[in-house]
Amino acid sequence: ETGVTQTPRHLVMGMTNKKSLKCEQHLGHNAMYWYKQSAKKPLELMFVYNFKEQTENNSVPSRFSPECPNSSHLFLHLHTLQPEDSALYLCASSPEGGSGVGLGETQYFGPGTRLLVL
Amino acid sequence: DAKTTQPTSMDCAEGRAANLPCNHSTISGNEYVYWYRQIHSQGPQYIIHGLKNNETNEMASLIITEDRKSSTLILPHATLRDTAVYYCIVRSRGKGGKLIFGQGTELSVKP
Repeated sequence: ETGVTQTPRHLVMGMTNKKSLKCEQHLGHNAMYWYKQSAKKPLELMFVYNFKEQTENNSVPSRFSPECPNSSHLFLHLHTLQPEDSALYLCASSPEGGSGVGLGETQYFGPGTRLLVL
Repeated sequence: DAKTTQPTSMDCAEGRAANLPCNHSTISGNEYVYWYRQIHSQGPQYIIHGLKNNETNEMASLIITEDRKSSTLILPHATLRDTAVYYCIVRSRGKGGKLIFGQGTELSVKP
């Protein structure tokens, strides 16, 4: 148990559906991240939030829409996804602080959401 | 951030020490060496990190060569539950220090 929870753990959706992934961290951290891990590929950083502000969007298609209402919660809204978007979506958090992109601290990961797009 | 190279896979007998090497010949002075592992279909788990001194915690030891161009993660008494993909990452602390995962080493601990 890392203190980062993700729901749901598994999700199957059609290409026309709208769904959301939720991440919650209980560590008092200020930065949160979304990663994507496709089969047989390394983790890819998608988004970074620091103090609720988005500090990085790693050229992610607009069908993925993140939301960070507070430092403890992070959402990833999904709409009109494609089958190639099927992957393990991982959330992480780190202490961070200050302004700008502070990505120097140890990141703690949630268990991930296994997404299948049909 | 510096690139790392790791063997694709390794085997280790249960109860023995597992020594996982990592080359990072282009590491710069302000970059740390981090190790994470990922058990199948779970989120990555932080193991240890260091700058230039050897480090030890309850999970593992990290040995960094004097020129800092390579390092070794040591699991002193590997168990079946240590079977996972181990990632060696070098990155700077502070602003801009992204965590970039490579392919890692798939460690199989066998009975």
